[in-house]
Amino acid sequence: AQRVTQPEKLLSVFKGAPVELKCNYSYSGSPELFWYVQYSRQRLQLLLRHISRESIKGFTADLNKGETSFHLKKPFAQEEDSAMYYCALSYNTDKLIFGTGTRLQVFP
Amino acid sequence: NAGVTQTPKFRVLKTGQSMTLLCAQDMNHEYMYWYRQDPGMGLRLIHYSVGEGTTAKGEVPDGYNVSRLKKQNFLLGLESAAPSQTSVYFCASSRTSAETQYFGPGTRLLVL
Repeated sequence: AQRVTQPEKLLSVFKGAPVELKCNYSYSGSPELFWYVQYSRQRLQLLLRHISRESIKGFTADLNKGETSFHLKKPFAQEEDSAMYYCALSYNTDKLIFGTGTRLQVFP
Repeated sequence: NAGVTQTPKFRVLKTGQSMTLLCAQDMNHEYMYWYRQDPGMGLRLIHYSVGEGTTAKGEVPDGYNVSRLKKQNFLLGLESAAPSQTSVYFCASSRTSAETQYFGPGTRLLVL
């Protein structure tokens, strides 16, 4: 069965430190993977998707099919990156399944 | 262009009461979704719709019903609310199934 696992509920770093939010998936088909972000008092919004292979707000994520991972990375965290991050997998062409989310706290 | 809107923003219900949550989108999207967000469980899909007049069950459909009579609206109904349905409900829409989902601001529901 398809599954998305985000093993860390909370990740705390200091400003300027590298960040890696982990995401592993389980899916027998060809995955479409996304990272969504929810800043405080804002609605959930797309951060990036693997198919576009772009960097948004300094974040990147590479799909590793061998390790079934889609980790989100940023070399230098900023305070404004503090938010809830959700990894999501699109399957059966019409549904998204979300991970349980990781809260990123960036301290000054 | 308001995007995705949800009504109401917050509601308190007593066990057994019924209510309807309204989601509206002005982006002419075919796909619409209802999720619930609970601490430690992320977002879970309740029901979704792939077009006007269609609905389908998601991961946690029990206790909820939906209708998509108009393309721009997706209603989520609770016929007999239970405390287990206390949650934050998010609506989302997308142009196609594989494209970005746009989320509403959420409805916070408390069932006593």
